Amino acid sequence: NAGVTQTPKFRILKIGQSMTLQCAQDMNHNYMYWYRQDPGMGLKLIYYSVGAGITDKGEVPNGYNVSRSTTEDFPLRLELAAPSQTSVYFCASLDSSSTDTQYFGPGTRLTVL
Amino acid sequence: GQNIDQPTEMTATEGAIVQINCTYQTSGFNGLFWYQQHAGEAPTFLSYNVLDGLEEKGRFSSFLSRSKGYSYLLLKELQMKDSASYLCAVSFNDYKLSFGAGTTVTVRA
Repeated sequence: NAGVTQTPKFRILKIGQSMTLQCAQDMNHNYMYWYRQDPGMGLKLIYYSVGAGITDKGEVPNGYNVSRSTTEDFPLRLELAAPSQTSVYFCASLDSSSTDTQYFGPGTRLTVL
Repeated sequence: GQNIDQPTEMTATEGAIVQINCTYQTSGFNGLFWYQQHAGEAPTFLSYNVLDGLEEKGRFSSFLSRSKGYSYLLLKELQMKDSASYLCAVSFNDYKLSFGAGTTVTVRA
């Protein structure tokens, strides 16, 4: 198993551009999450999904959108990038039938200039 | 909302013991996690406490008191590779995690 994978690893965007951060897991986990981590801070929940076709907002959803058309994939969309979205983005997943533990992908470091 | 507090920084000597405290106020509490995060890397799972008491895993132990909203992570026989940020996180509704800001532990020779 590759676990949780994220692409790209790094990206620089200009203000107003859009992009999609990809997240995939091959463990058949039903729950998936997107977090952002600003320097010196803990992770903050952006969106999460409890299964294909179901998504819900977390603590900081403004400026982002998500979709969950398959169990494996949970992309995060930025429509109009702003400097405040400069951060490291982590995707995580868990199998609620067997564990409460979330496992994290390697992260995407995004800079908006 | 969730409110989680932990110290910002701690420094200790190789071979010593360090205790990182975490206090929380939350609703819909499921349990408390500790994650380790090295600079530039993803958080990795260390421990999970659901019930009151101490859980021991090798050099690392974690304690939880649900009535006091308090947990600590104990790192024993510190090694240089233990220099990292340690994140306290509360699990609540839908297994969501709310994180503290993290405690940076520096281990000195």
